[in-house]
Amino acid sequence: KAGVTQTPRYLIKTRGQQVTLSCSPISGHRSVSWYQQTPGQGLQFLFEYFSETQRNKGNFPGRFSGRQFSNSRSEMNVSTLELGDSALYLCASSLATSGAPDTQYFGPGTRLTVL
Amino acid sequence: AQSVTQLGSHVSVSEGALVLLRCNYSSSVPPYLFWYVQYPNQGLQLLLKYTSAATLVKGINGFEAEFKKSETSFHLTKPSAHMSDAAEYFCAVRDTGGFKTIFGAGTRLFVKA
Repeated sequence: KAGVTQTPRYLIKTRGQQVTLSCSPISGHRSVSWYQQTPGQGLQFLFEYFSETQRNKGNFPGRFSGRQFSNSRSEMNVSTLELGDSALYLCASSLATSGAPDTQYFGPGTRLTVL
Repeated sequence: AQSVTQLGSHVSVSEGALVLLRCNYSSSVPPYLFWYVQYPNQGLQLLLKYTSAATLVKGINGFEAEFKKSETSFHLTKPSAHMSDAAEYFCAVRDTGGFKTIFGAGTRLFVKA
């Protein structure tokens, strides 16, 4: 079974631009979460989607948004990029077949550099 | 609120020596705990997980972790380090109500020849 895939793997943008990152979960997984990883802040939760609905959101400004499609694929968008948005953005998927916590499997990430 | 604390941002061991990476958790309910490994420029790979079935959990690549409720710990060990174990390791707890995983700050493991 294929793992979580993320595209693109690397991205360079300038301040003020916007960016869209894509994530395809493991087949059959219905939950997709996004995390931001930086050297200073570590791994921080952005948001989680299940059946096209956002179930939880981390403490990030409204410039960060996401969505999930009916096939469980997810995108996240960052508008008006700032230098501090430079990070590795990780996507994770899980089965989420019941209300109990389950294991998340991570993709390779998208490395975003903002100049 | 649930949280995890990893003791030691850097750990250095010699090849063949015991690896011990420390993690303490805080949770008011039985936790779901995980260890992930991250190699440079890669995502997170699941090493092992604790979901209350057994206190000693065996994972991939020879790693194991023991859940100790009395000490609120979930330390990761490996009897004999290999050069290929050099990476960053993250302890994490799955939030029971918020559908998110909360990570520790990470411990970078160095393995000396």
